[in-house]
Amino acid sequence: KNQVEQSPQSLIILEGKNCTLQCNYTVSPFSNLRWYKQDTGRGPVSLTIMTFSENTKSNGRYTATLDADTKQSSLHITASQLSDSASYICVVPTGGGNKLTFGTGTQLKVEL
Amino acid sequence: DTGVSQNPRHKITKRGQNVTFRCDPISEHNRLYWYRQTLGQGPEFLTYFQNEAQLEKSRLLSDRFSAERPKGSFSTLEIQRTEQGDSAMYLCASSISGRAYEQYFGPGTRLTVT
Repeated sequence: KNQVEQSPQSLIILEGKNCTLQCNYTVSPFSNLRWYKQDTGRGPVSLTIMTFSENTKSNGRYTATLDADTKQSSLHITASQLSDSASYICVVPTGGGNKLTFGTGTQLKVEL
Repeated sequence: DTGVSQNPRHKITKRGQNVTFRCDPISEHNRLYWYRQTLGQGPEFLTYFQNEAQLEKSRLLSDRFSAERPKGSFSTLEIQRTEQGDSAMYLCASSISGRAYEQYFGPGTRLTVT
């Protein structure tokens, strides 16, 4: 069964601190993995996409890593800001790439 | 704004009533997807269309749910005889068929069944 699991479920950090979110997937065949940010009451917005051959990709203060051997990905946020407070969801295409399987997300709260 | 739009943004209804949601995809996207998201969970796939054809439906889509995309542009999702368990965020996304992994999401419709 295709599954995407994330940890931690929730996280509270102080503004300016760094954090790392984890994603483990059991999806076959694997083509790519995407991290989305979802603000409360809004639809998910793509942050970054990792293909099979990529190990690291940065998008501003967001850095994603991928280890296709261990089927793990991480999202590292540096110098967190209050606006980073959101749910971060790991997503992998399944069903021949015709649909997406989502993790349950990590709820991040950044406090003063 | 040429993104995916959904209407209404919020809907409160009484149990047993029918509701209909609308999604307008990005104009050049021929694929349209519906997802349901409950609190604290990631979105779950419901169904998707390529142009006007509904190509796949999840087992989550009970007989009370019906989706249409009559002209291959906007889509509607209707829920008949709503139940409290239908309370969720209903998300619509669109993509180009060759890039189905690159879906753009709308803001969602929050349904509350009382």
